[in-house]
Amino acid sequence: AQSVSQHNHHVILSEAASLELGCNYSYGGTVNLFWYVQYPGQHLQLLLKYFSGDPLVKGIKGFEAEFIKSKFSFNLRKPSVQWSDTAEYFCAVNTGGFKTIFGAGTRLFVKA
Amino acid sequence: NAGVTQTPKFQVLKTGQSMTLQCAQDMNHEYMSWYRQDPGMGLRLIHYSVGAGITDQGEVPNGYNVSRSTTEDFPLRLLSAAPSQTSVYFCASSYQQTANLNTEAFFGQGTRLTVV
Repeated sequence: AQSVSQHNHHVILSEAASLELGCNYSYGGTVNLFWYVQYPGQHLQLLLKYFSGDPLVKGIKGFEAEFIKSKFSFNLRKPSVQWSDTAEYFCAVNTGGFKTIFGAGTRLFVKA
Repeated sequence: NAGVTQTPKFQVLKTGQSMTLQCAQDMNHEYMSWYRQDPGMGLRLIHYSVGAGITDQGEVPNGYNVSRSTTEDFPLRLLSAAPSQTSVYFCASSYQQTANLNTEAFFGQGTRLTVV
């Protein structure tokens, strides 16, 4: 069965530190890849997405992610985090069959 | 723009009670789905629908029913609530990019359900 693994469940960073959140999926076919963010008390919002083309995709608020097909990975990065980036981040994969599978999420806490 | 609208936002049920969580979208999306969100487990798919009249089970369907009589609405029914169904429920819709790949999901605000 397809699955999505997020390596870190909790991450604590100081402001201005660099961020990288890992995401790996298990599926050999065509995929659509997403990162969603959930700020405290809010619903999930799309951060960025990859459908095809340039494997380095840029999203909102300075986030980017790189799709490495050979590694089945779609890691999220941000060079300098802010306190307002405190949220939970979900990697998601749509593998066809009309299902989008979510990872367990990574809670990021940024210390001011 | 309304997007995806869920009601209610909060609900407390007693064990054995039934209720329906409402979800409506105004984006003419064919694909709609229900997830439950539990700490440390991310979002798990309960049921989904690829169009009016078509529904299918997701990862954790037991104890839940759905129907899709119109493109806009996708209600989730709890037949006999159990404490294990205490969770936050999200409805989502998306547009089909190709025959079997969807674009990004648009989420509702969520329903926080407590079963006592």
